[in-house]
Formats: sequence, C-alpha cells, structure tokens
Amino acid sequence: QQQVKQSPQSLIVQKGGISIINCAYENTAFDYFPWYQQFPGKGPALLIAIRPDVSEKKEGRFTISFNKSAKQFSLHIMDSQPGDSATYFCAADTGFQKLVFGTGTRLLVSP
Amino acid sequence: DTAVSQTPKYLVTQMGNDKSIKCEQNLGHDTMYWYKQDSKKFLKIMFSYNNKELIINETVPNRFSPKSPDKAHLNLHINSLELGDSAVYFCASSRGSGETLEQYFGPGTRLTVT
Repeated sequence: QQQVKQSPQSLIVQKGGISIINCAYENTAFDYFPWYQQFPGKGPALLIAIRPDVSEKKEGRFTISFNKSAKQFSLHIMDSQPGDSATYFCAADTGFQKLVFGTGTRLLVSP
Repeated sequence: DTAVSQTPKYLVTQMGNDKSIKCEQNLGHDTMYWYKQDSKKFLKIMFSYNNKELIINETVPNRFSPKSPDKAHLNLHINSLELGDSAVYFCASSRGSGETLEQYFGPGTRLTVT
C-alpha cells in the first residue's frame, strides 16, 4: 500500500523523440505526485508535480498524465535532448509528511 | 547560495568507526529529512524532523542517530559502521505545512565503508 511501482528501469531514446516513464500506486490516500530528476553526483531535484484533481500538467517539454481511476501516472518528455539524460523518480505524498519514491528510471538520450 | 548543504561530500572510513554527516538548509523550512540511496539508486527515507522534533523514524538500525540542534540543521551520526552502510546519504527539507510536499535535496554524502 505504501509503494509506488515505476517502469521501465532504463530507457534509451533518440534525440528529438518522446520519453515515457510510468508509475502506479495502490493507496488512494496519496494526494500529490511529484517527479524528481537526478543527474550523476547530484541530489534529486523536483521537476514537475501533479495533484489527482487534474488529469494532465504540462511545463515546457515535460508533461504528467494522471489516471486516477487506474491509479497510474506517467511522465512524458517531448523532444528529448541529451541534456535530459538522468535518472527520473516518481513519488507520492503519503499524507504523513513523507514521500514514497519509485525505483527510478535511467534515461539515456542518444545524440 | 546553496539551499541545502551537506558535509562532507565524500567519507571513506573503516568498519567499526563512528562518523557524522552534517546538513544545513537556508530555506526557512520546518521539516528536514535523511534519505539513503543504495547502489541501485533506490531512495529510502530514514528520518524526518519537524521543528527539531522527530516525526518519522523508519526501520533503521539504532546505530544511526539523527540530531537536530535547530530547525535549520539536521545531523546524522552513525556508530559502528558496517560494510552495508556504504551508500549515498541525502539530506532534504520541506515546508512543514502546505498543500504540497516539495522536498529540496542536498548534494549528497557518499559514504564508503572498507
């Protein structure tokens, strides 16, 4: 119940392509879903986040799609660039001042 | 200006030693956290403090002891280090209240136990 399942574990996308990372959760009490981006040797940084009362949120090339009934959400990176190569984590707010993180997706955007 | 800072960035030590990692945030946040990231990149919360009070204490060996002298600082002391403690430890902070739990992470401390 306190888990967020993330897939794929790794992803290779050509420059200009669309990167898609998926996450699923069980606990309907989760009410805030952020995505974090982590570059090698750095700490995770908040990328974009969504609340379950909306089905989509877009910020630049990054879009979260949220399906409340299926308890799934995904990150889409449009026009993927080599600079987007990083590890991406989905997460969920458990409501107890605590985030639970997915297992991470290593994205490599080839030039 | 660094929002969340940690020292040291790297820590190499032998089994059985005791070591500390320090964290400071200048964001005015009320809540601070310690996370452990293992070799597979999995991020797991260890502790959380809100205004110097411990609010989250996950299943962590009691060799790990957090201390918060004030709400801008959260230190992690580890006794009798073991090989399995090797990981990257991240400090993070967030506002204590509000609609969203935006956490800001420090740069991490890579601990290697030999």
